This record gives sequence, structure tokens and C-alpha cells, in this order.
Amino acid sequence: QVHLQESGPRLVKPSQTLSLTCTVSGGSISSEGYYWSWIRHHPGKGPEWIGYIHYRGGTYYNSSLKSRLSISIDTSKDQFSLKLQSVTAADTAVYYCVRMGSGYPLLGAMDVWGQGTTVTVSS
Amino acid sequence: SYELTQPPSVSVSPGQTATITCSGQELGYKYVCWYQQKAGQAPVLVIYQNTKRPSGIPERFSGSNSGDTATLAISGTQAIDEADYYCQAWDSSTAVVFGGGTKLTVL
Repeated sequence: QVHLQESGPRLVKPSQTLSLTCTVSGGSISSEGYYWSWIRHHPGKGPEWIGYIHYRGGTYYNSSLKSRLSISIDTSKDQFSLKLQSVTAADTAVYYCVRMGSGYPLLGAMDVWGQGTTVTVSS
Repeated sequence: SYELTQPPSVSVSPGQTATITCSGQELGYKYVCWYQQKAGQAPVLVIYQNTKRPSGIPERFSGSNSGDTATLAISGTQAIDEADYYCQAWDSSTAVVFGGGTKLTVL
């Protein structure tokens, strides 16, 4: 059974870079049929899709975050990472790493989620 | 940008059918998923590809999608079904979009 675990600083200062890593266990990040995604959730709102990456390196970002965002993958470590630059208080949220289907039958469906990590932007 | 609209709250009596809607322009042309999220936990996929249930999800959960509206129905609702529910759409042009969520209360 595939398991995802987020790691990284939980407190980031304004204007600095938020960095998170997701470690995949119980399966290979190089498995066909999946995108590896980041989602964030502000309290009281719907989840917000940040972006995803394929194990071959192709990425697709939320246009509203694209200018500040970078998602990378390290298949040798079964990890993928998120970097969000120039953060503000509006970037405070629970961040999840998620496995999303890239083809039939799970196309677009997020079937495995990490437990989530709360990141606070504050000085 | 593409938007999905859900009612903020739905109430249902135990044993009755709960219906949660998700509206978006031409939503019927997109794949819709539904997620259940209980307090302090990560979301769980309960419906994918509009109508399919992942392994382990009870048969009382069902989905449909046509026109501008997707619907999640929970028949024989139980107290354990009380949670927040989010719809999510995907297609190649809009990528991933989530609804604002519906709080289901089982009275």
C-alpha cells in the first residue's frame, strides 16, 4: 500500500521560500499512471491545487502560483518536492502531497494523500 | 477561471438519503471526483470518474454527472458519514479545480 509523508519547515518568514518534500513508500514514484501532486487547504475554504509532476519530469502548475512555484522529483529517493518563493501570510495553509491518476481509470482522481503538514508564514 | 459551486451545508436524518450538488459550466464534459474529509484527517476519495467507487468505499455512496451539475448521494446515511465533502473536476484545459465544500450534518 502506497504511503506519502510530507516533511519540511513548518514556520517560514515572509518573503522567504517555502520548501516541502514528500517521500513515497510502499511503491515506486516511477510507476506509470500517476502524477505526483501538491494540494493546500486554507481553513474554511475548498482545497487548492498547486501543481503536479510526472516521474519523467513533466510539470503542470496552477496559473495563479506559477510565477513563484517549482516542483521537482528525485526518482532515486522516491521523493518529490515543492518550492514556493516570496511567501506571504496568504500562503499559510495545510499542505498535502497526493498521488493523482494520469490515465484510465483514475484520470484526475487523487487516490492517496499524505497526512498533511501545517505551514505558517510569520515573522 | 473555472469554478465549482457547492452548498455550504446539508442536513439529513439517519437512514435517509443525503444529496450534495456541485455546479460548474458544462461540468458534464469533465471527470468529477468526490472526497470525504473528517476533522483532523486528510481527504479520502469516495467517488471517481463521476460514478465509480474506490475499493473499500460503501455501496451507499454514489455519484452522477450531467449538464452543469454533479451529484453525490449517500443512501441510508449514518452518523459516521458526517464530514465535509468536496467535489473536484479535471480536464486537460482547466486541470484540477475543487469546490468550496459542503458540511454534511446527520441530525
